Amino acid sequence: KQEVTQIPAALSVPEGENLVLNCSFTDSAIYNLQWFRQDPGKGLTSLLLIQSSQREQTSGRLNASLDKSSGRSTLYIAASQPGDSATYLCAVGGNQFYFGTGTSLTVIP
Amino acid sequence: SAVISQKPSRDICQRGTSLTIQCQVDSQVTMMFWYRQQPGQSLTLIATANQGSEATYESGFVIDKFPISRPNLTFSTLTVSNMSPEDSSIYLCSVPGRGRGEKLFFGSGTQLSVL
Repeated sequence: KQEVTQIPAALSVPEGENLVLNCSFTDSAIYNLQWFRQDPGKGLTSLLLIQSSQREQTSGRLNASLDKSSGRSTLYIAASQPGDSATYLCAVGGNQFYFGTGTSLTVIP
Repeated sequence: SAVISQKPSRDICQRGTSLTIQCQVDSQVTMMFWYRQQPGQSLTLIATANQGSEATYESGFVIDKFPISRPNLTFSTLTVSNMSPEDSSIYLCSVPGRGRGEKLFFGSGTQLSVL
């Protein structure tokens, strides 16, 4: 079974900092990797999707990379803002989709 | 994309009772996934529901506790049986987009509280 781990579990940074969230998975036989954010009491918002054949995807201040062979993905957030405060989840897609343990991000104004 | 309607959106139930959650998709999909999100936790896959065959359950989840129906390619139900307070969670249904390697789409979730 796929095991997905996210580091750190929680992160607190001052506004304006660049930051990196990490996601690692045990089975490299995946079709894609998707990053989500979840605000307290709300549903999941899809941020980025990386296909297994791709190495990175960018959307605005977000950049996600994928190294399938080493079982790792990173989500880079540039110039963080208080509105970025949320829990970030990675989901690894194979025959099923397994979620990581999550990173709770707080951006301090 | 896929639009998923899930209901009920929330419910408060008594210990020992059962609740059936419905998930309707606006297009035909082969696989539907059911997840549980316990308070303060990430999402845990309960089972994969395939039309025309038995659902496939993940380790730690059994059919007697979480029976699933999948009568057609647009609809599925998850029942939480003989509930206890430990079953208090958000339950979500999800479908992948067309083809492998596509996005995962989610219903709005069912917030279940068991007293």
